[in-house]
Amino acid sequence: EAQVTQNPRYLITVTGKKLTVTCSQNMNHEYMSWYRQDPGLGLRQIYYSMNVEVTDKGDVPEGYKVSRKEKRNFPLILESPSPNQTSLYFCASSFNRGTHGYTFGSGTRLTVV
Amino acid sequence: DAKTTQPNSMESNEEEPVHLPCNHSTISGTDYIHWYRQLPSQGPEYVIHGLTSNVNNRMASLAIAEDRKSSTLILHRATLRDAAVYYCILLETSGSRLTFGEGTQLTVNP
Repeated sequence: EAQVTQNPRYLITVTGKKLTVTCSQNMNHEYMSWYRQDPGLGLRQIYYSMNVEVTDKGDVPEGYKVSRKEKRNFPLILESPSPNQTSLYFCASSFNRGTHGYTFGSGTRLTVV
Repeated sequence: DAKTTQPNSMESNEEEPVHLPCNHSTISGTDYIHWYRQLPSQGPEYVIHGLTSNVNNRMASLAIAEDRKSSTLILHRATLRDAAVYYCILLETSGSRLTFGEGTQLTVNP
């Protein structure tokens, strides 16, 4: 089944403890991105990647890192999480941005205390 | 990015067709029109997209105005599972992001 898989689905952590949210897709998509969703603010893009070793900032990149060493994986790294990063996170992938639809993962609900 | 305007909410009855409008008067010639929906506690789900011509797939139809300044997502027979927030988004071929607006909350009555 074609899908974007995120792990974990739920995570509670403490301020300052580094964490990684994994994202993997099995559709050979070139384009991958991360979004966060907050009440009243909607979905906002954090980082995106147009191919292996090619990443760029989205609208709200502060406090996050990403890497794209393999085509299928695009992990989101929080080096020193803070409570304002408590949010619902989604990973998405697409074969070719505008001309193809995006597939989203099921989400990761992160709570930083 | 060109903006879209959608009604905040719409209501429909089960088994009836639903027409969800979207205005995008500043659309450029290279912008694709994408529609996504998001059910509670789930990730956004791709519904349909098009450029100039009307499009049909197993989920819905997309009717695009001749001047491309508006479009309509058509659910032919609404079911309770279609209750969701529907987002209309413009995306360039070379665009780097889906910019989500507030969308339309669709309520489907039994």
